[in-house]
Amino acid sequence: EVQLVESGGGLVQPGRSLKLSCAASGFTFSDYNMAWVRQAPTKGLEWVASISYGGSNTHYGDSVKGRFTISRDNAKSTLYLQMDSLRSEDTATYYCARHRGYDGTYYYWYFDFWGPGTMVTVSS
Amino acid sequence: DIQMTQSPSSLPASLGERVTISCRASQGISNNLNWYQQKPDGTIKPLIYYTSNLQSGVPSRFSGSGSGTDYSLTISSLEPEDFAMYYCQQDASFPYTFGAGTKLELK
Repeated sequence: EVQLVESGGGLVQPGRSLKLSCAASGFTFSDYNMAWVRQAPTKGLEWVASISYGGSNTHYGDSVKGRFTISRDNAKSTLYLQMDSLRSEDTATYYCARHRGYDGTYYYWYFDFWGPGTMVTVSS
Repeated sequence: DIQMTQSPSSLPASLGERVTISCRASQGISNNLNWYQQKPDGTIKPLIYYTSNLQSGVPSRFSGSGSGTDYSLTISSLEPEDFAMYYCQQDASFPYTFGAGTKLELK
């Protein structure tokens, strides 16, 4: 059974840093591209960042580019999100998600599994 | 960036009713359109990928269609567990973007 479990959320002051983790199990982590998606309170979903299966390619949303860094440790089956220079607008639940990948013929980029999320509150 | 306009934002409906949610992209996305369901506890799961492909384990009362810039999700006969939030999402190009969501409510 595929499982994604986020951790590391909490209350942090504006301008400070926080690092989120996502522990993956139930599949070969190193075979899949991974992502972070967030949801501010009472708001919709916002894609944050994606990383290739080997970790060499990354993409970021405009609102976090230059402040957040996505990374992974395939030996530990863990995805990370380093968040620096945090702002109040970064307050959200952060979800770890898996990109679907190949179905044998095509590569699909949608998110086929999601974690339960971890809450980050940026406030003084 | 590709903007996704989803409508309606709220949809009151009854059990057994057929409903449709629409999603319009600001430019053509070549069928790279996905639909997700979010339950009140925050759990998110995919329903439809690449416009019309049913995710494994999702009931056949869910279906998707569309092309170019206009896409839709249809639920043929509402069940109690279908009352939730629904989001469309394009993965045609980075940055990936979501619609603002549709809250499907019991009338």
